[in-house]
Amino acid sequence: RKEVEQDPGPFNVPEGATVAFNCTYSNSASQSFFWYRQDCRKEPKLLMSVYSSGNEDGRFTAQLNRASQYISLLIRDSKLSDSATYLCVVPERMNYGGATNKLIFGTGTLLAVQP
Amino acid sequence: DTEVTQTPKHLVMGMTNKKSLKCEQHMGHRAMYWYKQKAKKPPELMFVYSYEKLSINESVPSRFSPECPNSSLLNLHLHALQPEDSALYLCASSGTSYNEQFFGPGTRLTVL
Repeated sequence: RKEVEQDPGPFNVPEGATVAFNCTYSNSASQSFFWYRQDCRKEPKLLMSVYSSGNEDGRFTAQLNRASQYISLLIRDSKLSDSATYLCVVPERMNYGGATNKLIFGTGTLLAVQP
Repeated sequence: DTEVTQTPKHLVMGMTNKKSLKCEQHMGHRAMYWYKQKAKKPPELMFVYSYEKLSINESVPSRFSPECPNSSLLNLHLHALQPEDSALYLCASSGTSYNEQFFGPGTRLTVL
């Protein structure tokens, strides 16, 4: 099983639609989770962090199910500007005592919002 | 100010050239990272610096040489690269463990 798995898509949805992405992770000890958004030929940008059961920011909601080891991202009222690749990311602690983590990336889910 | 800057934006180099990529952050973060990203793939970790010391090298070939002159700066020295090294090179920084990483805009490198 891959460490972090996502459906690559593409998800083609009309403007105004609600769309949900799922992500599964293999390390049951993981404590925090991130969703990054990456536009074509740009850097990943942090969209949401999830430390407990979930997080909500405007049209975006992330939910965590620890028992099933999956994280979801829900986008309501999709906009054309939401078109991007959404990366599910799970940090892995580096065991040397330093203040760093290694990000384990999913392959990303491509979202295309159509007018 | 959650900003990581990188220079240059684009770089074209021959296989015999020596060049350097630069990264800077002023967020007081103590960890900095180099990633390589090929088209349609997620970023791949190359190096991690923590408190200005190299802590992780993900088996990167020696033609890539990282340097951390101080807590705000990170360089990546390039020498004798191969065409397959062409990619987007991303720098990132983070505060402490389990904190989010913030990425710079990247340097798009082409090796001829």
